[in-house]
Amino acid sequence: DAGVIQSPRHEVTEMGQEVTLRCKPISGHNSLFWYRQTMMRGLELLIYFNNNVPIDDSGMPEDRFSAKMPNASFSTLKIQPSEPRDSAVYFCASSLQGPEGYTFGSGTRLTVV
Amino acid sequence: GESVGLHLPTLSVQEGDNSIINCAYSNSASDYFIWYKQESGKGPQFIIDIRSNMDKRQGQRVTVLLNKTVKHLSLQIAATQPGDSAVYFCAENMVNGGKLIFGQGTELSVKP
Repeated sequence: DAGVIQSPRHEVTEMGQEVTLRCKPISGHNSLFWYRQTMMRGLELLIYFNNNVPIDDSGMPEDRFSAKMPNASFSTLKIQPSEPRDSAVYFCASSLQGPEGYTFGSGTRLTVV
Repeated sequence: GESVGLHLPTLSVQEGDNSIINCAYSNSASDYFIWYKQESGKGPQFIIDIRSNMDKRQGQRVTVLLNKTVKHLSLQIAATQPGDSAVYFCAENMVNGGKLIFGQGTELSVKP
């Protein structure tokens, strides 16, 4: 298996632009998680899905952030409009069941200028 | 509030020595703990896990100890190697919870 695949690896965008981050979980995994990592706040859980259904989005910073999982093999995290303080590394992770067997992708480094 | 935190933000050890990375957690309802290793430019990678009904678990060169009395978790790395240099995170999961909450991380630096 290729693991959790995220794209793009790097994204540089101007403030106010829409940004879409993509994730392909490991085939057969039914839980998907989006995390944000910064030096100040560490790894923060933004939202997670079970069987394509959002279970907990309490970590989503504000309405500018939205996430979807239209099917078991694809998820997106969208920021609209983006702001410089959104600059971070965004990780996607998937697991077969709950917290066990969490596997992370390589992340998307987002820079908003 | 509930939190998972690390005692030491940085740790420097000599190659060949043993390393101990510590983690304190505050949620007594947590029943599952994991240690992750994150190398520069990569996502966190699973090292070892332990359930709350255990005190100790060993892997290859790594041992995790859990002290529920004082809510303390540690990761021991035997014969530390340069390739062990990375940031190490502990994470906890609450009973019936589906998500992991991560600590802030400890950077391990191995001197040759």
